[in-house]
Amino acid sequence: DQQVKQNSPSLSVQEGRISILNCDYTNSMFDYFLWYKKYPAEGPTFLISISSIKDKNEDGRFTVFLNKSAKHLSLHIVPSQPGDSAVYFCAATTGRRALTFGSGTRLQVQP
Amino acid sequence: GAVVSQHPSRVICKSGTSVKIECRSLDFQATTMFWYRQFPKQSLMLMATSNEGSKATYEQGVEKDKFLINHASLTLSTLTVTSAHPEDSSFYICSAPGQASSYEQYFGPGTRLTVT
Repeated sequence: DQQVKQNSPSLSVQEGRISILNCDYTNSMFDYFLWYKKYPAEGPTFLISISSIKDKNEDGRFTVFLNKSAKHLSLHIVPSQPGDSAVYFCAATTGRRALTFGSGTRLQVQP
Repeated sequence: GAVVSQHPSRVICKSGTSVKIECRSLDFQATTMFWYRQFPKQSLMLMATSNEGSKATYEQGVEKDKFLINHASLTLSTLTVTSAHPEDSSFYICSAPGQASSYEQYFGPGTRLTVT
């Protein structure tokens, strides 16, 4: 039972354009959502998060949107840069327990 | 942000031997740490929750006698893979929650285990 899903295994965008990474979840008990960036053979690096009581959180080039009724969240990166190329994981949690991760989306930003 | 370290970063061992992986929170205390495993091109899957001063909590399907977890202090949790087999080859990552008011978790750099 995959509670957090990232249906796009890969995404390619041009430098300077917007990258939109999507994530869906099924567990309505999740109250906090996070996005992590990961390179091969390294641990995930925290990017941005959002509480279930909000619908938007912005930090520099990164914005996360949450649609609770649709159980959907998205990460927008604008403008995209080649250094953003990595695998992005969506994660969710209840309370401060362990994270449930999606399967990841590989983002490639073309110069 | 908070820093979590892991040691070793890479280990190769023979089938049947045991391997210990350390996870340390460097600038904060962690009463709870989490151990994840990632197989190639797959997601991170929670293996167990490590609790300082008490027994670890294992996820369904994870053998507690094979993956021994010891949370001996507020800054150190260890995962020992006992009697390792080639199918245990994976990328093992630990994490620790940050500040008490924060939901963010900070991850170690991971340990690549290869069992030959």
